[in-house]
Amino acid sequence: QVQLVESGGGVVQPGRSLRVSCVASGSTFSTYGMHWVRLPPGKGLEWLAVISNDGSEKYYADSVRGRFTISRDNSKNTVYLQLNSLRTEDTAMYYCARIDCGPDCPFDDWGQGTLVIVSS
Amino acid sequence: VMTQSPLSLPVTLGQPASISCRSSEELVHSNGNTYLHWFQQRPGQSPRRLIYKVSNRDSGVPDRFSGSGSGTDFTLKINRVEAEDVGVYYCMQGTHFPWTFGQGTKVEIK
Repeated sequence: QVQLVESGGGVVQPGRSLRVSCVASGSTFSTYGMHWVRLPPGKGLEWLAVISNDGSEKYYADSVRGRFTISRDNSKNTVYLQLNSLRTEDTAMYYCARIDCGPDCPFDDWGQGTLVIVSS
Repeated sequence: VMTQSPLSLPVTLGQPASISCRSSEELVHSNGNTYLHWFQQRPGQSPRRLIYKVSNRDSGVPDRFSGSGSGTDFTLKINRVEAEDVGVYYCMQGTHFPWTFGQGTKVEIK
């Protein structure tokens, strides 16, 4: 199991940008993909994006493609989510997660979340 | 699109509960696996996976939780609901990008 710690949330005005980060413990960060998931207040979980272990492959939810960018720095055991052109509906708790599957699904690790509030 | 029902499920302690999840497309991956998972999110906590690939319980998950289904129709069952099972339950498909969650089913005690 890895420990995941998000940071970078806060209050931001509509139209502005924010970058949230997630640091993973351990020495195997470069061997697995990482996801971002969010939970808006009063709503359900929304999967946002995934990045492969080496950063070569990225996929996004339709709702954030073109505005959000996932990236990673394996030397820092960190995955990022750049949030651009923020809207009030982007207000949510943002979680990073290691939940990749292959032939099996050995991982189910989540951070505690970082809260992003988009408000004027 | 993942569609769950019911969205709200009041249950008496010790009684069974069942949540349905229907996908708008087949969830069998080209590798033969069906990546349909179930997550639980208790109030104030991060999500936790209970069931992976339709019917496999994650480590530490009580055996009162079970998953079944195939193709486009899946079910999560709780054999005898306990107080600690209160929360929101989500199905999620990880077969096709973008991955998608169901709307969530809120389980509460009557």
